[in-house]
Amino acid sequence: DAGVTQSPTHLIKTRGQQVTLRCSPKSGHDTVSWYQQALGQGPQFIFQYYEEEERQRGNFPDRFSGHQFPNYSSELNVNALLLGDSALYLCASSLLTSGGTGELFFGEGSRLTVL
Amino acid sequence: AQSVTQLDSQVPVFEEAPVELRCNYSSSVSVYLFWYVQYPNQGLQLLLKYLSGSTLVESINGFEAEFNKSQTSFHLRKPSVHISDTAEYFCAVKNFNKFYFGSGTKLNVKP
Repeated sequence: DAGVTQSPTHLIKTRGQQVTLRCSPKSGHDTVSWYQQALGQGPQFIFQYYEEEERQRGNFPDRFSGHQFPNYSSELNVNALLLGDSALYLCASSLLTSGGTGELFFGEGSRLTVL
Repeated sequence: AQSVTQLDSQVPVFEEAPVELRCNYSSSVSVYLFWYVQYPNQGLQLLLKYLSGSTLVESINGFEAEFNKSQTSFHLRKPSVHISDTAEYFCAVKNFNKFYFGSGTKLNVKP
C-alpha cells in the first residue's frame, strides 16, 4: 500500500520564478491538503482539495494555487517566488468521508530553496 | 481560528528518564486532538490521537497523552525515553476538517 508520495524532494529556484510541486495521495484517500513548514516552525495550512475543487484555504496569497486531478493527485503552484517561500512543502492526504475523525497522512515533503 | 501552543521548543532529557511535552489549545467547541512525530528529513507521522471516549490514549511505542477538557490541554508523556525517540513532536487540533499545528517541540534524548 503506497503512502503519500511527493516530487521533487529538493529543488532550488531564484526569486521571481515559478514552481510546481506534485503529490500522490495514499491509496483510497480522496482529499489532499498542502502545508508549508518553514525552518523551526510547525506546518502552516495552505489549502485543501476535494473533488477537484479547493475547499478550504489558509492565509496564503494568490501566488499559491493548486489543482487536483480525477485520480486524486494534486499539484501546488507558487508564482513570483520570494525568498520567504523557502520551506519544506508537505502534502497530506485523508479520507473526507471518515466522519471527521480521519487523520492526515503526510508525504516526506519537497524542500524548496529560493535564492 | 484555532491556536495550538507548545510551550517548550526544546526538551533535553537523558535516556530512560521520563518526559512530558506540553500542548494547549484554544477552543470552545469539540475538537479532535493529535500528536505527530517528525524525524530528521522526513514527513510527519501520526503518533496518537484523541477522538472521544477515554481521555487517556496510548501509542504502540510507549507514549501516552491525556485529554484535559477543563485545562484545554493534551500533554504527551513517556515514562522512559530511548535514544530513538529523538525527534520533533507536533501537537495538532482538528476542527471542521481543518488541522492546526503547534510550533513543535524538539526532544533530544542524550545517552
